[in-house]
Amino acid sequence: GAVVSQHPSWVICKSGTSVKIECRSLDFQATTMFWYRQFPKQSLMLMATSNEGSKATYEQGVEKDKFLINHASLTLSTLTVTSAHPEDSSFYICSARTNYNEQFFGPGTRLTVL
Amino acid sequence: QKEVEQDPGPLSVPEGAIVSLNCTYSNSAFQYFMWYRQYSRKGPELLMYTYSSGNKEDGRFTAQVDKSSKYISLFIRDSQPSDSATYLCAMSKGGSYIPTFGRGTSLIVHP
Repeated sequence: GAVVSQHPSWVICKSGTSVKIECRSLDFQATTMFWYRQFPKQSLMLMATSNEGSKATYEQGVEKDKFLINHASLTLSTLTVTSAHPEDSSFYICSARTNYNEQFFGPGTRLTVL
Repeated sequence: QKEVEQDPGPLSVPEGAIVSLNCTYSNSAFQYFMWYRQYSRKGPELLMYTYSSGNKEDGRFTAQVDKSSKYISLFIRDSQPSDSATYLCAMSKGGSYIPTFGRGTSLIVHP
């Protein structure tokens, strides 16, 4: 299957700082990538759909000024959590969609805000 | 009522057992059905991807879709301890392709 990477795999930061998470499709081009967050023992919650070369589409209730998404190329999307607070601590997972409409997920990034 | 319902478990079975995992859904517009496996602290891995009703088999895994009952299943034959993980069902509408996920079922296969 296709490979999607995320970096970093885990990050600890102080409250008020910003954190950038990268999502890369390694062996295919993805015009569409997705960002999810997952709380313990809960399902994946879609945060936003990232489209290459255009603005991201955010799900209801997700603050676009807090979660900045940039999809600058066909293989890279970034999520920046601005002014992070402890309640933003979660497992963030990206996925990339192939031309055959299959979604492949990255390994996830665990964010802990102190 | 959630669009996709999935029992969170945990489901504990002995090694070698046949495992049945299920999801129900309420939206008849769903046409694409997927099963993902997620190990602890990892991203989900696509296991099966089916369109509309019917069965699909891949090795020890069989996916079934019954659109008339709005019910999908994943069967695992000869289960192994390495199958211990959370299994998420997901489904999407034709033309949209953004899946809606179930909350996942935790499976434990003990030796």
